[in-house]
Amino acid sequence: AQTVTQSQPEMSVQEAETVTLSCTYDTSESDYYLFWYKQPPSRQMILVIRQEAYKQQNATENRFSVNFQKAAKSFSLKISDSQLGDAAMYFCAYRFPGIQGAQKLVFGQGTRLTINP
Amino acid sequence: NAGVTQTPKFRVLKTGQSMTLLCAQDMNHEYMYWYRQDPGMGLRLIHYSVGEGTTAKGEVPDGYNVSRLKKQNFLLGLESAAPSQTSVYFCASSYLDSGLPEAFFGQGTRLTVV
Repeated sequence: AQTVTQSQPEMSVQEAETVTLSCTYDTSESDYYLFWYKQPPSRQMILVIRQEAYKQQNATENRFSVNFQKAAKSFSLKISDSQLGDAAMYFCAYRFPGIQGAQKLVFGQGTRLTINP
Repeated sequence: NAGVTQTPKFRVLKTGQSMTLLCAQDMNHEYMYWYRQDPGMGLRLIHYSVGEGTTAKGEVPDGYNVSRLKKQNFLLGLESAAPSQTSVYFCASSYLDSGLPEAFFGQGTRLTVV
């Protein structure tokens, strides 16, 4: 079964510095999507960034970028110039095919990120 | 544009009571999902649907039933609530076309079973 593992339950970083959140996954598929979602205290799930497995280039969205290592099944999120508003729970997620082609999303356990002013 | 709307946002149930959570999306998405979120366990898939009239079991389906009679709605039912079902429930939806693969989430429902 496909699994997603986030080995860092909590991380903290000083404001304006850079932090990297780790994620590994297990799959036998060759084509899939990977995502990072942010969940602030409001509880809303917000998409941060997505990566398509068949693209070798790492995705980037402003201060957020990923390091996608397909062979190692690793998908880390780097946040540059951390801001107080980045404080949240971050979830790594993998999308894989299911019954009738359904694209199920599987989530990691989450990493709680604290930003220190 | 409302996106994905969950009803209700909060609910307290007594053990053995039943209830239905409603999820509605206005984006014409084919896929819809129900997840539960518990501390330290991420989001776990309960049931999902690939289209109107079809449903399938996810990772933790026991104690729940679902129905998707209309494309825009996905209902999650608890027939006899148990304290172990205390959780935050999220509904999500996504397109069939993988050109836009990400799921869009509702705001969540906090359910407490006493």
